Amino acid sequence: EAQVTQNPRYLITVTGKKLTVTCSQNMNHEYMSWYRQDPGLGLRQIYYSMNVEVTDKGDVPEGYKVSRKEKRNFPLILESPSPNQTSLYFCASSLERGSSYEQYFGPGTRLTVT
Amino acid sequence: GQSLEQPSEVTAVEGAIVQINCTYQTSGFYGLSWYQQHDGGAPTFLSYNALDGLEETGRFSSFLSRSDSYGYLLLQELQMKDSASYFCAGLNYGQNFVFGPGTRLSVLP
Repeated sequence: EAQVTQNPRYLITVTGKKLTVTCSQNMNHEYMSWYRQDPGLGLRQIYYSMNVEVTDKGDVPEGYKVSRKEKRNFPLILESPSPNQTSLYFCASSLERGSSYEQYFGPGTRLTVT
Repeated sequence: GQSLEQPSEVTAVEGAIVQINCTYQTSGFYGLSWYQQHDGGAPTFLSYNALDGLEETGRFSSFLSRSDSYGYLLLQELQMKDSASYFCAGLNYGQNFVFGPGTRLSVLP
């Protein structure tokens, strides 16, 4: 089954404790990205990657890091989480930099930072 | 930069037709796509317009006018299961996606 998986689905952590949210896709997609979703703000892109070892900032990259060492994986790293990073996070993938505009989204990770 | 605007809420009755508008300001733009998101779920792709005009996919149609910086999603024969949030999204020439704030559609019996 073609899918994007994220782990964990739910996470409660404390300020300053480094965490990683994993994302993996099995569709051999080149383009992957991370979004955060907050009420009234829609989805905002954090980082995106057009292929292995190619990453770029989206609209809200501050406080986040990513890496793309393998085509299928695109982890999101919060080196020192803060309460304003409490949000719902989605990973997504699509063929060739979104040329079809069809992004496949993972199930989401709800993060709470206290 | 790029920003997209949508109405926050729309209400319609079952069987009706509803149009959700999306206006945008952009400095460079490939096209407009639409996503549906049910409460507690992930966004799912509905439609996209790379060119001006109407694209039809079953009960859903999407329209784009670049000259007016405007697009819309048209939902026909509304069903209760169409109650969800709908997002327009643009891909700009920097290859990053920008989403609108979303429109919550409520379908009444």
